[in-house]
Amino acid sequence: NAGVTQTPKFRVLKTGQSMTLLCAQDMNHEYMYWYRQDPGMGLRLIHYSVGEGTTAKGEVPDGYNVSRLKKQNFLLGLESAAPSQTSVYFCASSNRNRVVRTDTQYFGPGTRLTVL
Amino acid sequence: RKEVEQDPGPFNVPEGATVAFNCTYSNSASQSFFWYRQDCRKEPKLLMSVYSSGNEDGRFTAQLNRASQYISLLIRDSKLSDSATYLCVVNPTTSGTYKYIFGTGTRLKVLA
Repeated sequence: NAGVTQTPKFRVLKTGQSMTLLCAQDMNHEYMYWYRQDPGMGLRLIHYSVGEGTTAKGEVPDGYNVSRLKKQNFLLGLESAAPSQTSVYFCASSNRNRVVRTDTQYFGPGTRLTVL
Repeated sequence: RKEVEQDPGPFNVPEGATVAFNCTYSNSASQSFFWYRQDCRKEPKLLMSVYSSGNEDGRFTAQLNRASQYISLLIRDSKLSDSATYLCVVNPTTSGTYKYIFGTGTRLKVLA
């Protein structure tokens, strides 16, 4: 049981290049999230998904696209990378606890992206 | 005002000390509260959820004060291994949304 995994762990891009970050979870969770974490700021939600085939915008969605074609995978795409997208990206997944009406998020190890 | 605010620290405490962190939130309708722990260059991990009645897990105690809109985390008998950043997390609305708001974290250093 690997939990949440992210690929790649590190990446350096040039401005204007594109790339896709892959998140996979083996816990059969319904909900998946992409966050970015920058120094001095809390984790900020980029996009999220409440089920296979559905996605929604978070707090900072501009410059990113996502897809959830399979329940276990959540992809984050950067179409034209910019230096402002230099960050650490975390994926998370969770299931709704119907008793206490809340959910615990499990995070992947992160992807460190540098855009030059 | 930020939706979730934490003192960034660092809090430098000797081993065995008791330390407490507070976190304030702005949305009075917030329903779910958590403390996560994040080690340097690692992913956040759930430390504990915070319930209305307060809850304890070993050396850790979390409390919620709805009237003053803050949550607290108390760590007793601090260990070197407790050194980390502690993130306060709030779900600002009732069920149906998954936009959890993270604080910037409070850094704790436990000194030998």
